[in-house]
Amino acid sequence: KAGVTQTPRYLIKTRGQQVTLSCSPISGHRSVSWYQQTPGQGLQFLFEYFSETQRNKGNFPGRFSGRQFSNSRSEMNVSTLELGDSALYLCASSWGQGAYEQYFGPGTRLTVT
Amino acid sequence: TQLLEQSPQFLSIQEGENLTVYCNSSSVFSSLQWYRQEPGEGPVLLVTVVTGGEVKKLKRLTFQFGDARKDSSLHITAAQPGDTGLYLCAGASNYQLIWGAGTKLIIKP
Repeated sequence: KAGVTQTPRYLIKTRGQQVTLSCSPISGHRSVSWYQQTPGQGLQFLFEYFSETQRNKGNFPGRFSGRQFSNSRSEMNVSTLELGDSALYLCASSWGQGAYEQYFGPGTRLTVT
Repeated sequence: TQLLEQSPQFLSIQEGENLTVYCNSSSVFSSLQWYRQEPGEGPVLLVTVVTGGEVKKLKRLTFQFGDARKDSSLHITAAQPGDTGLYLCAGASNYQLIWGAGTKLIIKP
């Protein structure tokens, strides 16, 4: 079974721009969660999507948004990028909604200059 | 606010030594998951413990869930360089996962 895939793997953007990251979950998994990981803050939960609906949301500003498609693939968008948005963005899929075991992708390394 | 504290934050030891890392909270969790993350990769699930007092072994790794389901420990016997990585614990509560900040482990050959 193929694992979670994320594209792109690396991205460099300028302050003020926007970015869209993509995630394809493991086949059969219906939940996709997004996380931001930085050396200073560790792993921070952004949001979770299940059956195309956002089910949980972390404490991030409205510039961070996401969506899930009918095939469970998910995208997250960050608008008006700030230097502090530089991070590793991880996507994880799981069989069910909530606290199920997470299967992570390799992440997208975003650098904002 | 539920918190999950991991200790130590950083540990660097020689190959062959034993070590224990901890994951503590004042909250009760229905289960607790342990992950290992290597540089440039996403975390990989190692084990889930569900029952208070439960002990699970994965080769040289031993995981224990506290009797009160508020804490957990990971013990590594005869550590090897391949054990190097960031160890994360995540507690399940109210249909959400609460994540610890991680223990960065380096095993020197």
